[in-house]
Amino acid sequence: EIVLTQSPDFQSVTPKEKVTITCRASQSIGSSLHWYQQKPDQSPKLLIKYASQSFSGVPSRFSGSGSGTDFTLTINSLEAEDAATYYCHQSSSLPHTFGQGTKLEIK
Amino acid sequence: QVQLVQSGAEVKKPGASVKVSCKASGYTFTSYGISWVRQAPGQGLEWMGWISAYNGNTNYAQKLQGRVTMTTDTSTSTAYMELRSLRSDDTAVYYCARDQVLAFMDVWGQGTTVTVSS
Repeated sequence: EIVLTQSPDFQSVTPKEKVTITCRASQSIGSSLHWYQQKPDQSPKLLIKYASQSFSGVPSRFSGSGSGTDFTLTINSLEAEDAATYYCHQSSSLPHTFGQGTKLEIK
Repeated sequence: QVQLVQSGAEVKKPGASVKVSCKASGYTFTSYGISWVRQAPGQGLEWMGWISAYNGNTNYAQKLQGRVTMTTDTSTSTAYMELRSLRSDDTAVYYCARDQVLAFMDVWGQGTTVTVSS
């Protein structure tokens, strides 16, 4: 099974800061990597599909990049409402797997 | 609007079974699949499997093989996930999510809490 490792596990950031979360796959997954946001007591929400394609309705400050084994989720000009846990997910091979999550705290 | 509405919370004893439903609306049910994902308390997301609402084909996580069954009822646009021989470590929030081609999950249900306790 493909292991996804996110870094960092936790980050405390200030509003308007730029945030970068990385996701590394244990083997090449092409562009079959998706990003989700989960706020406390809510269901996850899709942000980015296929590494870099923004999902409909997602604010433009969220962007994704990467291919192969290394991927990045970038949040430009962080807002207070972005406090959440972010997960990467690979659909290249079965079983699908998720990263362990990155929790963002807003100072 | 497109939405998935799941059944209510369940409390089960070890060894019992649970069946969670996920009713879809606002889109053509048979044009998509449904993935199931669970989240243990304070933990991350775990993929459980996927079912095609078009032809009923399934893919299950190997660790759940033999204990999980996913089905759909196209007449009511409802997907079901049954988990048998429940253990305490099956305690989690169970989510269904729309997933057309075993790829990304673009619409999620509200989650169903399943508690396994004696």
